[in-house]
Amino acid sequence: DAGVIQSPRHEVTEMGQEVTLRCKPISGHDYLFWYRQTMMRGLELLIYFNNNVPIDDSGMPEDRFSAKMPNASFSTLKIQPSEPRDSAVYFCASSPGVGDTQYFGPGTRLTVL
Amino acid sequence: QQQVKQSPQSLIVQKGGISIINCAYENTAFDYFPWYQQFPGKGPALLIAIRPDVSEKKEGRFTISFNKSAKQFSLHIMDSQPGDSATYFCAARGGFNKFYFGSGTKLNVKP
Repeated sequence: DAGVIQSPRHEVTEMGQEVTLRCKPISGHDYLFWYRQTMMRGLELLIYFNNNVPIDDSGMPEDRFSAKMPNASFSTLKIQPSEPRDSAVYFCASSPGVGDTQYFGPGTRLTVL
Repeated sequence: QQQVKQSPQSLIVQKGGISIINCAYENTAFDYFPWYQQFPGKGPALLIAIRPDVSEKKEGRFTISFNKSAKQFSLHIMDSQPGDSATYFCAARGGFNKFYFGSGTKLNVKP
C-alpha cells in the first residue's frame, strides 16, 4: 500500500485566496483525521471522520475552514478565504478502527502571504 | 487547555546515553497512550504504545513507563543513537477515538 497520500505537498498562496488540501486514506481504513502543526501550537486535531461521516469538528478554528469526505477514498480540507495565520503543515491520517494506530501522510506545507 | 503536557521541549543527549521524555494527563478516561516519532519533512509515525493496565512496555531500545496513579507516562530511549534524532510526541486516546497530542520534544543525539 502506498500509505496516506496528500496533495499538494507545498502550497503558497496569497491572503484571501481559496486553498484546497487533498487526502487519500489507506484503503480499508474507517477513520480519517485532519491535523494542523505549528511551532506555537504543536499538533492540533481539526476534524475527523468515521465511515465518511464527520464525528468531531470542534478543532476547526473558524468558519473559513471546511472539510468533506465524499467517499471512503478521498477527503478535502478547504480554507476560504485564507489568512497568513493559517500558514502551517496540515496532516491527514487514517486508521483502520477504534484505538488502532493512526497512519500519517507526509503533510502539506501551506504558506499564506 | 492542553490535555496532555509534555516535557522537555528539547533534549540533547550524547550517543549511547539514555533519553527520557515525560508526559502527564488529567483525564482518567484516556485508555491508550502512543508515542510518535517525526523526522523533518515527514509525518509522525507510531513508535510504541501502551494501555493503562500495563506499567511498562519495551520494544528494542524503546521503553514506555506508565504510572496510572500519578497520571504520567514516559518514553526511555536506551543507547541513544544519532539516527534517533527526531521530534517525539506523546498522545492519549479519549472518547470516540479522539487523540490528544503533547507539544513535542525535539531530541538531538550528538555523536
